[in-house]
Amino acid sequence: GAVVSQHPSRVICKSGTSVKIECRSLDFQATTMFWYRQFPKQSLMLMATSNEGSKATYEQGVEKDKFLINHASLTLSTLTVTSAHPEDSSFYICSAREMGQPGTEAFFGQGTRLTVV
Amino acid sequence: GEDVEQSLFLSVREGDSSVINCTYTDSSSTYLYWYKQEPGAGLQLLTYIFSNMDMKQDQRLTVLLNKKDKHLSLRIADTQTGDSAIYFCAGSAGSNDYKLSFGAGTTVTVRA
Repeated sequence: GAVVSQHPSRVICKSGTSVKIECRSLDFQATTMFWYRQFPKQSLMLMATSNEGSKATYEQGVEKDKFLINHASLTLSTLTVTSAHPEDSSFYICSAREMGQPGTEAFFGQGTRLTVV
Repeated sequence: GEDVEQSLFLSVREGDSSVINCTYTDSSSTYLYWYKQEPGAGLQLLTYIFSNMDMKQDQRLTVLLNKKDKHLSLRIADTQTGDSAIYFCAGSAGSNDYKLSFGAGTTVTVRA
């Protein structure tokens, strides 16, 4: 199957700094990527839909200035957590669907464990 | 949007069958999915079913869909220790809506 690579897998940062997480589709092109947040022992919460070449669409309650999303190419989307605080500590997962393949599987990255100290 | 519910825990003996159940609210869901998540990892798609199907079988996995009751189940035959994980069901609405709504996940524990 197609591969989605997420980097870094783990990151620890100081409170007030910014952290960038990358999501790459390695062997396919993705016009749309999704960013999820997962709290311990809970489900995935969709944060935003990242569209190549246009602004991301954020879900209700997600601060767009806090979680900056850039989808500059068909194979790369980035999520930047700005001015991180301990409550931003979480597991962040991206997913991507192949262009022209509606309704089929979304491939997930391996996730990024963010710890803000 | 879609609300998806599933039971939180399942304990099963090695070699037995596991059945994980899921209910959803949006009758227009076009595709329904089962994902597996191992500790500290992303999600791995196990299988998916199109809404006009009742059943789909893939090796040890059998998916049953009851559209009338909006009920989806995943049966794992001959459950192995490597099947211990969290299993999520998810639904997407329509071929142009790539958003997935996930259930809370069922933690499956396989005991020897």
